[in-house]
Amino acid sequence: SQKIEQNSEALNIQEGKTATLTCNYTNYSPAYLQWYRQDPGRGPVFLLLIRENEKEKRKERLKVTFDTTLKQSLFHITASQPADSATYLCVPGSARQLTFGSGTQLTVLP
Amino acid sequence: DVKVTQSSRYLVKRTGEKVFLECVQDMDHENMFWYRQDPGLGLRLIYFSYDVKMKEKGDIPEGYSVSREKKERFSLILESASTNQTSMYLCASSNSSGGPIYGYTFGSGTRLTVV
Repeated sequence: SQKIEQNSEALNIQEGKTATLTCNYTNYSPAYLQWYRQDPGRGPVFLLLIRENEKEKRKERLKVTFDTTLKQSLFHITASQPADSATYLCVPGSARQLTFGSGTQLTVLP
Repeated sequence: DVKVTQSSRYLVKRTGEKVFLECVQDMDHENMFWYRQDPGLGLRLIYFSYDVKMKEKGDIPEGYSVSREKKERFSLILESASTNQTSMYLCASSNSSGGPIYGYTFGSGTRLTVV
C-alpha cells in the first residue's frame, strides 16, 4: 500500500537557520508532489507544487526538491522565523486525489 | 480568494444521532472532498465528488454518506454517530481545469465530539 514518511514528527530549529523537512514515499509513483502548511485547529493551506519532471521549485523563502529515483522530496525554509512554526504536510498525487501523511511539526525558536 | 466554509467549528452530538456536516465553496470548483484528521493518522479521505450528484468512496467511507445536490455544497452525513467518529472533519475543494497546480483549498474544519 502507499506509504508516506516525513522525517520526524517534530523538528526544532533556531530562528534564522534553514529548516529542512524530508518526505519519503513508497509503493507510489506520483506525477507531482504538493506541500501544505497546517496551523493547530485549522485546515491545511497549500504552499507549492513540484512536478515529477522538475528537480527544484522556489517560492520566496521556500525551496522544494523532488527526486523520483530516491522517492524523496526535501522542503527547505531559509531564514526561518517563529511565524514559520506549524505542521508541514507532504502530499504526493497522481490524479485528482491526494494522499496525506501525518506531517512534520516545525518549531522555530526565537 | 477561494473560500471553503464549514457550517460549524465545534459540534457535540450524542451516540446514535444523525449528524450533518455542511460545506460550501464559492469558486465554482468541480471537485469536493471530505477528510477526517486524527492525531498520528494524518488526513484520511472519506468521500469525494467530481460533479453534482456524483460521489465516490474514499479510504474510510464506513458509517458515512454524502450528498451533492448543488455544485457549491457537499454534505457529510453520519447516519448514526458513534464515539469512534469523534474527530476533526475537513472539507476541501479543487478545480479540475489546471489540474492540481493550485492545490486543494480547505475549510477551517469541524471538531466533532460524539458522547
